[in-house]
Amino acid sequence: IAGITQAPTSQILAAGRRMTLRCTQDMRHNAMYWYRQDLGLGLRLIHYSNTAGTTGKGEVPDGYSVSRANTDDFPLTLASAVPSQTSVYFCASSDSTSGGQFFGPGTRLTVL
Amino acid sequence: GQNIDQPTEMTATEGAIVQINCTYQTSGFNGLFWYQQHAGEAPTFLSYNVLDGLEEKGRFSSFLSRSKGYSYLLLKELQMKDSASYLCAVRDSNYQLIWGAGTKLIIKP
Repeated sequence: IAGITQAPTSQILAAGRRMTLRCTQDMRHNAMYWYRQDLGLGLRLIHYSNTAGTTGKGEVPDGYSVSRANTDDFPLTLASAVPSQTSVYFCASSDSTSGGQFFGPGTRLTVL
Repeated sequence: GQNIDQPTEMTATEGAIVQINCTYQTSGFNGLFWYQQHAGEAPTFLSYNVLDGLEEKGRFSSFLSRSKGYSYLLLKELQMKDSASYLCAVRDSNYQLIWGAGTKLIIKP
């Protein structure tokens, strides 16, 4: 692995289903972030983690949950998907809360 | 509320110079970032300004005026590969990034 990876690349999901988007980084960055990007809108922060074992809510956290059991992994779970969660999801990391962020390739999620 | 404004779309000619503006109103300021995002790809870091003035990096330069809540990204000697969206982001008092919607730059031959 080099940098940040996300899985799956894309997914079509039925409404009401549970889904976990995976994110792994090998840069030993302390901080990690989940964003969604919708056409015409800026990146919106869903959840973040400043260090392993801690998480925080961003601008649009409802319907999503995260965990940070270790430094490398930061999965995002949709407990019961709804069509408004159709979006492109980006995971990012930085070596501190003051550093620039590096992004994964994204997951394109469609909820029908 | 917090707000980042940048033009939705700009068009420029290959070989020319283009300036993309960004104005912001945020709760606190701990730096401003510019990112480039090609269609269907992830954003990639271009520049960072925390003090007033111009930061130059090759063909790209970024300027910041904190008193005016204003920044611009200057791209020189435009190439076709510069066709992309350019995202302005400000780190607020909670050290979270607030993002603009991005400026789509179209380069014509």
